[in-house]
Amino acid sequence: EAQVTQNPRYLITVTGKKLTVTCSQNMNHEYMSWYRQDPGLGLRQIYYSMNVEVTDKGDVPEGYKVSRKEKRNFPLILESPSPNQTSLYFCASSSQGHTEAFFGQGTRLTVV
Amino acid sequence: DAKTTQPNSMESNEEEPVHLPCNHSTISGTDYIHWYRQLPSQGPEYVIHGLTSNVNNRMASLAIAEDRKSSTLILHRATLRDAAVYYCILKTSYDKVIFGPGTSLSVIP
Repeated sequence: EAQVTQNPRYLITVTGKKLTVTCSQNMNHEYMSWYRQDPGLGLRQIYYSMNVEVTDKGDVPEGYKVSRKEKRNFPLILESPSPNQTSLYFCASSSQGHTEAFFGQGTRLTVV
Repeated sequence: DAKTTQPNSMESNEEEPVHLPCNHSTISGTDYIHWYRQLPSQGPEYVIHGLTSNVNNRMASLAIAEDRKSSTLILHRATLRDAAVYYCILKTSYDKVIFGPGTSLSVIP
C-alpha cells in the first residue's frame, strides 16, 4: 500500500531536548515536504526536498533542520525545541513538484 | 509567492452539488492548481489538480477560469463524508507550496 509514515504520532518533550521526527515513503517519490499546522494559521511549509541531498526552506524554517540522505526518508530535526514549536506536523511526498501529494497521518508535538 | 483566497465556510445540503470557489489572481504560468481536503484528526487528502483545462476524476471536477485567476471545485452530490476543510493551493514545479486557511464545508442532512 502506498503510504507516508511518520513516527512518532505523539510526542511530549521538554524545552531544549533535541528530537527527530521521522518520515518515510514507499512510492519512490522525488519530492518530500514538512508542514506544521496551527489553529487559525492553517498549514505552513517548513522545508521541502526535490531529491537526495537537495533541500530548501519553506515559509517557516527557523528552529528546524532536515536531511535527505536517502530517497525514501526525510527526517525533521529540532535541535533545541521551544514551546512555540508545539504543533501538529505533517510530512508529504509527491513524484514531481506539481503532482499529487500524499500526506502522512501527522505527529502531534508538545514542548513544555 | 502566489497565494489563494477562499471563503472561510460554506454549507450544502446532502445530495446537492457544491461549488467551492478559489481566487488566485497572482498565479504564474507554471503554477498548478491543487485541491486537498482534511478531515478532523487526519492528514490532508488529495482531491484534484489541473493547469489550464477543466479536470474530472471520481471525486470531483475542477473548473479553471480562462485567465487562470480563479477556479472552482465541484462536488457533484455532497455526502456527509464530504464535510471537511477544503484547501486550494498553487504548486510549483519545485514543490514550494503556500496553504491558505481553506473553506470549512458543512453538509446538512
